[in-house]
Amino acid sequence: NAGVTQTPKFRILKIGQSMTLQCTQDMNHNYMYWYRQDPGMGLKLIYYSVGAGITDKGEVPNGYNVSRSTTEDFPLRLELAAPSQTSVYFCASSSGQSGNTIYFGEGSWLTVV
Amino acid sequence: DAKTTQPNSMESNEEEPVHLPCNHSTISGTDYIHWYRQLPSQGPEYVIHGLTSNVNNRMASLAIAEDRKSSTLILHRATLRDAAVYYCILRDRGESDKLIFGTGTRLQVFP
Repeated sequence: NAGVTQTPKFRILKIGQSMTLQCTQDMNHNYMYWYRQDPGMGLKLIYYSVGAGITDKGEVPNGYNVSRSTTEDFPLRLELAAPSQTSVYFCASSSGQSGNTIYFGEGSWLTVV
Repeated sequence: DAKTTQPNSMESNEEEPVHLPCNHSTISGTDYIHWYRQLPSQGPEYVIHGLTSNVNNRMASLAIAEDRKSSTLILHRATLRDAAVYYCILRDRGESDKLIFGTGTRLQVFP
């Protein structure tokens, strides 16, 4: 099993450009999450999903959009990139039961210039 | 969402035990206590979790206070590879399960 896979690993964007961070998991997990982590800081929840077709906002959703059309995939869309969105982005998944492990991807490093 | 409070940083010498505390005074009866750690330039990884009883696994032990308002992650013999940021997180059994991270404790291990 590959676990949680994120692409791309590194990306440089110009202000105002758009892009999609891809996240896929092969563990048949219902719950998926997107976090961002600024340098030296903790993880902040952007969006999460408890199943296909269901998404909800986290702590810092502004400037982002998500969709969940399948159980496996949970892409994160940046519509108009801003320097404040320079960060490391982590995708995670879980079976949804609170006693179970959360699995994280390796991260996507995004720089907006 | 219930919050956790951890010290910003702790230090240890190699091969010594390390006790990382976490306060969660607003914990509800349905919240699990999870610990994750994040090595430099990596995503967080699971360490241990528990509900009411103390738990042990190959990585660490988790001691939970009787009133569940605090817990302690115990690394029995710290190694240099244990240098990381350790996060204590509460996960509820409700549908939201937002997984809110706190600031964590940065553990430094000295040879």
